[in-house]
Amino acid sequence: DIQMTQFPSSVSVSVGDRVTITCRSSQGINTYLNWYQVSPGKAPRLLIFGAFSLQSGVPSRFSGSGSGTEFTLTINGLQPEDFGSYYCQQSYDNFLTFGQGTRVEVK
Amino acid sequence: QVTLRESGPALVKPTQTLTLTCTFSGFSLTTGGMSVSWIRQSPGKAVEWLARIDWDDDKYYSSSLKSRLTISKDVSNNQVVLTLTNSDPEDTATYFCARINVLLTGTPVFDYWGQGTLVTVSS
Repeated sequence: DIQMTQFPSSVSVSVGDRVTITCRSSQGINTYLNWYQVSPGKAPRLLIFGAFSLQSGVPSRFSGSGSGTEFTLTINGLQPEDFGSYYCQQSYDNFLTFGQGTRVEVK
Repeated sequence: QVTLRESGPALVKPTQTLTLTCTFSGFSLTTGGMSVSWIRQSPGKAVEWLARIDWDDDKYYSSSLKSRLTISKDVSNNQVVLTLTNSDPEDTATYFCARINVLLTGTPVFDYWGQGTLVTVSS
């Protein structure tokens, strides 16, 4: 299976800050990389697919970049509703593995 | 409007078989490009993909759980069922089902999710 490694595992930030999360794959996956927000008590939410395409309805402060084995999720101007956990997921092959997650916490 | 809802037992004893049902609306699993997956999150742990079933009945399983998982679909009732045999306390988790629409996104991404159902494995 393709292994996905995310870092940092957690980050403490304030409202308005810029947050950058990195995801690396164990082999090249082109741009078959997706990002999700997972918050307690809520259905997980697709943010970015295909490495940089913003899902409909997702605010433009979220952006994604990268290709091959290294990818980045950036949140510009963090809002209170953005605190939670973020996961990358590869869709290069049919075994759809996730990264270990990054928790975005209040500083 | 696409919706998915997970249902199943809240408590399962070790060694028992866990059966979960995903009931969905707003799309059909007879439509080309559609799939449904099961994903779980154990308390304090990462999200883990478990299984996927496609519109053409192709099935894929997590390598680590393949021997214990079975996924199936009932298209007439818009349901996908996941069974996990030989339950263990390590299987305690919130279980989610999610839709994949490859025709919309060009790649298998989970664009709609259910709220999840918490299953505890304990004697």
